[in-house]
Amino acid sequence: GESVGLHLPTLSVQEGDNSIINCAYSNSASDYFIWYKQESGKGPQFIIDIRSNMDKRQGQRVTVLLNKTVKHLSLQIAATQPGDSAVYFCAETPPGTYKYIFGTGTRLKVLA
Amino acid sequence: SQTIHQWPATLVQPVGSPLSLECTVEGTSNPNLYWYRQAAGRGLQLLFYSVGIGQISSEVPQNLSASRPQDRQFILSSKKLLLSDSGFYLCAWTSSYGYTFGSGTRLTVV
Repeated sequence: GESVGLHLPTLSVQEGDNSIINCAYSNSASDYFIWYKQESGKGPQFIIDIRSNMDKRQGQRVTVLLNKTVKHLSLQIAATQPGDSAVYFCAETPPGTYKYIFGTGTRLKVLA
Repeated sequence: SQTIHQWPATLVQPVGSPLSLECTVEGTSNPNLYWYRQAAGRGLQLLFYSVGIGQISSEVPQNLSASRPQDRQFILSSKKLLLSDSGFYLCAWTSSYGYTFGSGTRLTVV
């Protein structure tokens, strides 16, 4: 079935370094992608989104890159802080559906 | 403002007991509503979604059911819980920025 997967289950980075979290999606027709951050015991929170007509979108300290050729999505976090420690999920939305498909998540650990 | 409420926050239930989790949304009308389950250390599994009152789509055959008796109310139920029903249950609605999730219910079936 359709799926969104992540390459790395756990990523450890030094505080102040940049983080890159990767995601592969399976439906080439998906037209909307979102990154979520989930802290322990809480519901996921929206970080940034991107539509399929774009290849890059920047937010505050975060950048999402979309490579439709290889069906790859990445989240870049600049100057990673301890508060960035969480599980990050990517999600894709196939066209014509009401549902988002999530990957299993990547745990980001920020080392002091 | 638009908010989503989910309760209870935690629940411990014996095997074979019934379940009812409630989710309500404020500040919007006719939202698309969703129930997700998250097993410990795992991703999000879509259980049910609803695009309107009385309209329920089931994604995974299981021991659970969902109902939408009112426009902004979404209920997850079970007649008899199984151990495998343990997990973190999340309600969500489709807002301007993809999903907005509730705070979740941690269910432990013992």
